[in-house]
Amino acid sequence: TQLLEQSPQFLSIQEGENLTVYCNSSSVFSSLQWYRQEPGEGPVLLVTVVTGGEVKKLKRLTFQFGDARKDSSLHITAAQPGDTGLYLCAGAGGLYGGATNKLIFGTGTLLAVQP
Amino acid sequence: KAGVTQTPRYLIKTRGQQVTLSCSPISGHRSVSWYQQTPGQGLQFLFEYFSETQRNKGNFPGRFSGRQFSNSRSEMNVSTLELGDSALYLCASSLVHLPGDEQFFGPGTRLTVL
Repeated sequence: TQLLEQSPQFLSIQEGENLTVYCNSSSVFSSLQWYRQEPGEGPVLLVTVVTGGEVKKLKRLTFQFGDARKDSSLHITAAQPGDTGLYLCAGAGGLYGGATNKLIFGTGTLLAVQP
Repeated sequence: KAGVTQTPRYLIKTRGQQVTLSCSPISGHRSVSWYQQTPGQGLQFLFEYFSETQRNKGNFPGRFSGRQFSNSRSEMNVSTLELGDSALYLCASSLVHLPGDEQFFGPGTRLTVL
């Protein structure tokens, strides 16, 4: 069974602080996606990382895919209240995934940024 | 371009009843996937449809079923509802059904089983 563990589960920080969210698995994925979900809405895709060791930046957000394509991290610099939400990592296409876009979601990190 | 539409947004049912949820994907998208989100289990994959065929199924009992129509719209059905079926049901659409395809999620249907 493929599992994705995220840490921490909850994070409450002050505006301007930095934070890192981790997503770890014992399984290899062909790609890993990060989503943010706000209350009453579906998850919204932030980024997809495909290559082991890949680093992608999206304004104040930096995403990294582990060399072995089993883990990933999301770093937010100078967090703002608008960053508040549930952050989810999701693995797609295991080692023998085949033609499917099934996502295995992580356990989620609930971030609250206080003004 | 309109996003993924799910109807209804909220549903209240009692144990033993059945329910049908609907999902209209983004125009041009041919793949629709369904997920169940609960506080305890998080987001779990239910099914994936492409060109009216179920391509993949998650580990859920047979009470959960779905289908996709020729216009790519999809429905899922849950029969003999149980209290544990209370959840947010999310539908996602994508152009095709390959790993890494960007999936666009709808706002979900909040199902409460009493």
